[in-house]
Amino acid sequence: ELKVEQNPLFLSMQEGKNYTIYCNYSTTSDRLYWYRQDPGKSLESLFVLLSNGAVKQEGRLMASLDTKARLSTLHITAAVHDLSATYFCAVDMGGSEKLVFGKGTKLTVNP
Amino acid sequence: DVKVTQSSRYLVKRTGEKVFLECVQDMDHENMFWYRQDPGLGLRLIYFSYDVKMKEKGDIPEGYSVSREKKERFSLILESASTNQTSMYLCASSYGWGSTGELFFGEGSRLTVL
Repeated sequence: ELKVEQNPLFLSMQEGKNYTIYCNYSTTSDRLYWYRQDPGKSLESLFVLLSNGAVKQEGRLMASLDTKARLSTLHITAAVHDLSATYFCAVDMGGSEKLVFGKGTKLTVNP
Repeated sequence: DVKVTQSSRYLVKRTGEKVFLECVQDMDHENMFWYRQDPGLGLRLIYFSYDVKMKEKGDIPEGYSVSREKKERFSLILESASTNQTSMYLCASSYGWGSTGELFFGEGSRLTVL
């Protein structure tokens, strides 16, 4: 059974600081996804990582994938308040196109 | 833009009622999914479908059924609603075989069962 673990689950940080969210998964997969969810809203796709060593960047967010370590990171650079949201990683279950989600990381960026 | 539309944003039902949650996508996606989202538990897969009239159980199918009579529409049915089915329900779709597997989500349906 594929398990996906995110940490931390809660993150409070100051504007201007850097931080990293980690996503570990338990079985082989080379497809990993990051989503953002604002309060009361649905999930919005941020990044699609489809191979070992994949790196994607959008604004202050950068995601990477290490399939050998079964680890993805979401790095936040110089955080701003608008980044406050819950971030989910999700892993494809062995090419089945079913995604298993982590529990999410609730990020709060304080002025 | 891909659009996944869920018919009801908020519903309040009574225990024992039959509940239909409808989902329509407009991008000719092969795959459709129903997840529920609960605080502290993340998203859990209820049912999914790779094709019309095809359905497969996810991780938590008990108490639910689905219907996919047309490619664009995937319905989630609660035969007899119970209070432990109070939750946020999220429909999603994806292109299918050979694609990136990225899911596109609807806005969600928040169901309260009294």
